[in-house]
Amino acid sequence: EVQLLESGGGLVEPGGSLRLSCAASGFTFSSYAMTWVRQAPGKGLEWVSGISDSGGSAYYADSVTGRFTISRDNSKNTLYLQMNSLRAEDTALYYCAKDSGKIAQREVFDHWGQGTLVTVSS
Amino acid sequence: EIVLTQSPGSLFLSPGERATLSCRTSQSLSITYVAWYQQKPGQAPRLLIYGASTRATGIPDRFSGSGSGTDFTLSISRLEPEDFAVYYCQQFARSPWTFGQGTKVEIK
Repeated sequence: EVQLLESGGGLVEPGGSLRLSCAASGFTFSSYAMTWVRQAPGKGLEWVSGISDSGGSAYYADSVTGRFTISRDNSKNTLYLQMNSLRAEDTALYYCAKDSGKIAQREVFDHWGQGTLVTVSS
Repeated sequence: EIVLTQSPGSLFLSPGERATLSCRTSQSLSITYVAWYQQKPGQAPRLLIYGASTRATGIPDRFSGSGSGTDFTLSISRLEPEDFAVYYCQQFARSPWTFGQGTKVEIK
């Protein structure tokens, strides 16, 4: 059974940093691209970033480019999202999702974690 | 960026009825690159349908997708109690991958 467990969320002041983690199990992690999707309180879904199976290619939404960095450690079956220069509008539940393919392009998100909440506020 | 507009915002139906949810895209897309997700309160989204009408693992055949161009539809043939939820369409044809704002299917 595919399991994705996010951690690392919390309360941070504007301008601060957080690193989210997503521990994966139940599938061959190194064979699939991975994605972060966020959901602001009471709002819809927003794609944030994706990374290929090897970690060699990474993609970002314009809203986070230059501030967020996605990475993965295939030896630890873990996905990361380093978030810097956080803003109030980054407040959301951050979901880790498994892609249906390898390249993080034109793929659906076929399994999701339960999310970790990031709150940016002074 | 491709904008997805879902309608209606809310749909009030009874168990056993048919649900028809609409998703309109700001650019023409192949249905190959349209997906639908279900989200229940306090839960993560779950992939339902992608491509022409490919159901994700474990999704019952009362769920189906259709459409072309800029108009796409998720149909639920006979609503079961567990189907009352929010449904999102998504396009994965052109980055950034975008979602609609959601349609909430509620019990009448």
